[in-house]
Amino acid sequence: EAGVAQSPRYKIIEKRQSVAFWCNPISGHATLYWYQQILGQGPKLLIQFQNNGVVDDSQLPKDRFSAERLKGVDSTLKIQPAKLEDSAVYLCASSLDLLRGNTIYFGEGSWLTVV
Amino acid sequence: RKEVEQDPGPFNVPEGATVAFNCTYSNSASQSFFWYRQDCRKEPKLLMSVYSSGNEDGRFTAQLNRASQYISLLIRDSKLSDSATYLCVVKGGSYIPTFGRGTSLIVHP
Repeated sequence: EAGVAQSPRYKIIEKRQSVAFWCNPISGHATLYWYQQILGQGPKLLIQFQNNGVVDDSQLPKDRFSAERLKGVDSTLKIQPAKLEDSAVYLCASSLDLLRGNTIYFGEGSWLTVV
Repeated sequence: RKEVEQDPGPFNVPEGATVAFNCTYSNSASQSFFWYRQDCRKEPKLLMSVYSSGNEDGRFTAQLNRASQYISLLIRDSKLSDSATYLCVVKGGSYIPTFGRGTSLIVHP
């Protein structure tokens, strides 16, 4: 079974530029998560989708971050404009659904460096 | 107080040792608990769920103490390959999973 796919794997941009990350969850998974993980810290939830609806985005810096999952399958996370402190790994994850999907499966992550 | 707290370590132990980690959570309504393992520069992967009665998977034992609001992970007979970061995950009634910062374990020969 294919896992969670993410691209690009690595990205280096200058501050104030924009960047977009793409994620394709495991087939049939209704719940999709975007986490930000800064070196030495645990993953921090940015946004959680159930199909194409947002379950939680309370920690998403909405002045610069946006995410969408228009058709309830793949998703994009955008940062515009980027700041130095956005340097992190952006982990996309999916689970079967909110109620039954206890196991969260992660992609390999998109490593962002802002210089 | 953070929702999920863990001692970042590192815990440095010899092969064959027994080591235990704790994780405390602040929301008494939390319903589901898990331990994930994350290797260096890799994504987190589920190690085990934590059940109210406690559960064991080989050398790993997980316990939940609802009264004191903590979960624990015990690793017996540590192997070099157990070296990793262990992340505590708590899911509340809103089904939103919150990760701790992780506890680093280093097992040396």
